Amino acid sequence: AQSVTQLGSHVSVSEGALVLLRCNYSSSVPPYLFWYVQYPNQGLQLLLKYTTGATLVKGINGFEAEFKKSETSFHLTKPSAHMSDAAEYFCAVRDHYNQGGKLIFGQGTELSVKP
Amino acid sequence: DVKVTQSSRYLVKRTGEKVFLECVQDMDHENMFWYRQDPGLGLRLIYFSYDVKMKEKGDIPEGYSVSREKKERFSLILESASTNQTSMYLCASSPSRTGFQPQHFGDGTRLSIL
Repeated sequence: AQSVTQLGSHVSVSEGALVLLRCNYSSSVPPYLFWYVQYPNQGLQLLLKYTTGATLVKGINGFEAEFKKSETSFHLTKPSAHMSDAAEYFCAVRDHYNQGGKLIFGQGTELSVKP
Repeated sequence: DVKVTQSSRYLVKRTGEKVFLECVQDMDHENMFWYRQDPGLGLRLIYFSYDVKMKEKGDIPEGYSVSREKKERFSLILESASTNQTSMYLCASSPSRTGFQPQHFGDGTRLSIL
């Protein structure tokens, strides 16, 4: 079965520091991968996605992620954290075994940004 | 921009009540989803639908049912609410069954069962 693992339920960085949120997936077929962000008391908002083509994907708010097939990873990075980046981040993979565009989500990583 | 609207942001109900959570999308999407979100457990899929009058069970369907009579509307029903159904409920939609297009989420309904 497909699965998504996010390493670290909480990550804390200082403002201006590198943000690195880790995501590993298991899939026996080429995956479609997504990162979402959730601000307090809101729904999820798409940050970026990988479907095919270039393995380095750029998203909104300065985030990017690199698809590494050999490592089955899709880590999210941002060179310089901003206070407004504090939120919960979810990695997801498309479930190939069911119709309907079903996604499998990781457990989420809460990002804190210290001044 | 796609808009997914959930009828209530906050809802308080009593044990045993029948509860309806409504979700409407305005982009003619085929697929619609209901999740619940609990601390430490991430998002768990309750039910989804890829066509009008079609529904599929997700990972945690027990105690819930759904209705999709029109393409734009997907309702989640708690047949007899219980305290363990206190949670944040998120509705989402996506364009087609191929799945390479992302899901779009509503702002959520925080439901408390007393």
